[in-house]
Amino acid sequence: AQKITQTQPGMFVQEKEAVTLDCTYDTSDQSYGLFWYKQPSSGEMIFLIYQGSYDEQNATEGRYSLNFQKARKSANLVISASQLGDSAMYFCAMRERTQGGSEKLVFGKGTKLTVNP
Amino acid sequence: DAMVIQNPRYQVTQFGKPVTLSCSQTLNHNVMYWYQQKSSQAPKLLFHYYDKDFNNEADTPDNFQSRRPNTSFCFLDIRSPGLGDAAMYLCATSREAGLYEQYFGPGTRLTVT
Repeated sequence: AQKITQTQPGMFVQEKEAVTLDCTYDTSDQSYGLFWYKQPSSGEMIFLIYQGSYDEQNATEGRYSLNFQKARKSANLVISASQLGDSAMYFCAMRERTQGGSEKLVFGKGTKLTVNP
Repeated sequence: DAMVIQNPRYQVTQFGKPVTLSCSQTLNHNVMYWYQQKSSQAPKLLFHYYDKDFNNEADTPDNFQSRRPNTSFCFLDIRSPGLGDAAMYLCATSREAGLYEQYFGPGTRLTVT
């Protein structure tokens, strides 16, 4: 079974600063995908960014970038120029094959980010 | 425009009283998922539909059932809710299984009294 580890239960960052949220994973698959989701207090899970295991370049989406280090099995999320609206829970996830042959997401425990003014 | 809609947003039910949560999508995606998320925990997949094919997770209690009458709608039925079933229930869709992002609805927060 695959495993996602997020070691930071909570992080604080000053507005306009950059912040890195850690994620390490464990898998024996050669082909896999890593996702980051944001969950505000309203509860909705918002897709942020995706990294495929064979992607040679780190994924970027606006202020979000993924620092993918395959040998270390880490996929850290970097948020640049933090905004107050970035305060939320952030989940790292990996796709995993289900018993039925389809696929699902397995989530880490999440990191609660607080952006201070 | 909302793409994955969940109704109601908040649901209160009594211990043992059946309850149904609803999810609809306007994306025409093939796959629909139901996750359970308890307080301060990660979402946990209960089951999913790939088109009409139902896929149950091995550790999902029999108390939880699902129906997908058509592409757009998927229901979560809890036959006899217990206090431990109080949680946020998240519906998600993806175009296909595999390397596609999942789009989540706003969730239904279930309280069991």
